[in-house]
Amino acid sequence: GAGVSQSPSNKVTEKGKDVELRCDPISGHTALYWYRQSLGQGLEFLIYFQGNSAPDKSGLPSDRFSAERTGGSVSTLTIQRTQQEDSAVYLCASSLVITELSNQPQHFGDGTRLSIL
Amino acid sequence: KNEVEQSPQNLTAQEGEFITINCSYSVGISALHWLQQHPGGGIVSLFMLSSGKKKHGRLIATINIQEKHSSLHITASHPRDSAVYICAAHISNFGNEKLTFGTGTRLTIIP
Repeated sequence: GAGVSQSPSNKVTEKGKDVELRCDPISGHTALYWYRQSLGQGLEFLIYFQGNSAPDKSGLPSDRFSAERTGGSVSTLTIQRTQQEDSAVYLCASSLVITELSNQPQHFGDGTRLSIL
Repeated sequence: KNEVEQSPQNLTAQEGEFITINCSYSVGISALHWLQQHPGGGIVSLFMLSSGKKKHGRLIATINIQEKHSSLHITASHPRDSAVYICAAHISNFGNEKLTFGTGTRLTIIP
């Protein structure tokens, strides 16, 4: 497909389990972003990748959260020892080029709805 | 105080009305995004602007960098415009990029 693809679309898991969320950006997009949207809340920035590198991890809510990107393409967001407050929709977006002089629009995936029981 | 403030939080209007949604920000930005989130949750990027004005169909976005304010206008509004509209400040800082979001404006257009 031509858009940003996220999987799974829905994930229900028990508290304490680890989960892995996947994002397939648009081919050729070098910048990749992870966001989350908790129920009734606004969007929250988590982490940004330029290529395989994440210069700033300060948006990750806790050390249970980690993200990686390989080959400048697919990214995974991993949440260890999930807690109920991790329940949210996790959104991924990608854009073509990212510099201070040539920001590009972000294209969003449909998100992964994560529910922690 | 949030770095990005939107108003109004909720807006209900009759079909055909001219709609304005406002966004103020308190940080230095490299760009300002307007996003549309449909009831099903999907997010679409409407505009990204760093100065002046952009128009796409019935949608117009303006930004005043000096006043740190942006507006999204919808002309001849239609029920299919009903969605949550979100502004986001794109902050670039020595290779670090992030979006800081407003809380969104829920727009309902009544036929």
